[in-house]
Amino acid sequence: GAGVSQSPSNKVTEKGKDVELRCDPISGHTALYWYRQSLGQGLEFLIYFQGNSAPDKSGLPSDRFSAERTGGSVSTLTIQRTQQEDSAVYLCASSTRVDEKLFFGSGTQLSVL
Amino acid sequence: LAKTTQPISMDSYEGQEVNITCSHNNIATNDYITWYQQFPSQGPRFIIQGYKTKVTNEVASLFIPADRKSSTLSLPRVSLSDTAVYYCLVGVIWAGTALIFGKGTTLSVSS
Repeated sequence: GAGVSQSPSNKVTEKGKDVELRCDPISGHTALYWYRQSLGQGLEFLIYFQGNSAPDKSGLPSDRFSAERTGGSVSTLTIQRTQQEDSAVYLCASSTRVDEKLFFGSGTQLSVL
Repeated sequence: LAKTTQPISMDSYEGQEVNITCSHNNIATNDYITWYQQFPSQGPRFIIQGYKTKVTNEVASLFIPADRKSSTLSLPRVSLSDTAVYYCLVGVIWAGTALIFGKGTTLSVSS
């Protein structure tokens, strides 16, 4: 596709349920980032994938959060046993070796009731 | 990881030039300085990037002093549509380390 695609755009779930958020990076982009943005706040780093290297998971807030990237392309961020404090916009970004720019998707707005 | 510090907010009027300065005292030799713009309900988008001296593109200029411990984003003749949050990011994607955003600067442009 022309840009980074994230789905769903909105997700409403009940406390305690598991959710999966999907990110389709720009074709050929080997670096992929996940960020979280709470209402009115800045971007909080979650996890970083680069090629076939082990991901940098240093930003994941708890063991309820996990992410994988299959085939070096699509990535899924999973949140288990969601809590109300998980409510936020989850943003994905990708990049290529050609330049140092991050290309962001429009995000998934997660609301935990 | 280079930490960045920016003003939390700035106000301006249409037609004025706006300069937003970012401090990054512990910038590493290979780090780039990149500025992003974010509108409500959208992901950030790239504005401009530099390594040293001055860079100019169709929307902004970026001034970087010789010691690279700060940078200034200059927006000429702002309009209402420039109202957004601006983030300064320092780092290298291909260094294999996380890119940490600062809190950003909320720019409000009035008529």
